[in-house]
Amino acid sequence: GQQLNQSPQSMFIQEGEDVSMNCTSSSIFNTWLWYKQDPGEGPVLLIALYKAGELTSNGRLTAQFGITRKDSFLNISASIPSDVGIYFCAGPRGGDTDKLIFGTGTRLQVFP
Amino acid sequence: DTGVSQDPRHKITKRGQNVTFRCDPISEHNRLYWYRQTLGQGPEFLTYFQNEAQLEKSRLLSDRFSAERPKGSFSTLEIQRTEQGDSAMYLCASSFPVVETQYFGPGTRLLVL
Repeated sequence: GQQLNQSPQSMFIQEGEDVSMNCTSSSIFNTWLWYKQDPGEGPVLLIALYKAGELTSNGRLTAQFGITRKDSFLNISASIPSDVGIYFCAGPRGGDTDKLIFGTGTRLQVFP
Repeated sequence: DTGVSQDPRHKITKRGQNVTFRCDPISEHNRLYWYRQTLGQGPEFLTYFQNEAQLEKSRLLSDRFSAERPKGSFSTLEIQRTEQGDSAMYLCASSFPVVETQYFGPGTRLLVL
């Protein structure tokens, strides 16, 4: 079935460092969404991207919609301990439902 | 709080029992989705409602699963004769029409013993 591949699978960084992660697909997406999920909670929307090439920021987070529409990138600057969690990319599969296809996730651990 | 809410947050049941979960979407959203998430995986689509109409069901949704959204507002997901493999986090999400951005609730974590 369709899959979104995220890399890296996990990251262990020190507080204050910058973080980069990406998401790739074999198919084109018209929207890219980035979510963060804490243990035992639902995913929280961080950034939504609607146009190829779009670069959008939300505080210390910046995400880009790849030109090919088959990839997206998320950067976190000056990481802090509360950035710990799993980051998922997702894209709507289109048609009548726009059900989301989720990536495999990037687990971020921040050490003080 | 105007976000998506789910109840209960946790449910422990014995194999063979029936369970029912409730989702209250954001009030202006007419689209409602159910997803299932197992440990270490991203959420997987189960079913979708537009207003009260259930328009799509995943192959993951076996005959033991049924979902309703009787008045186009809240939704329920029922699992009959639960099996240990049903243990997962069940997530509800909602969105505006024609906008793909979905907002998720906190989830219901189900453990079947």
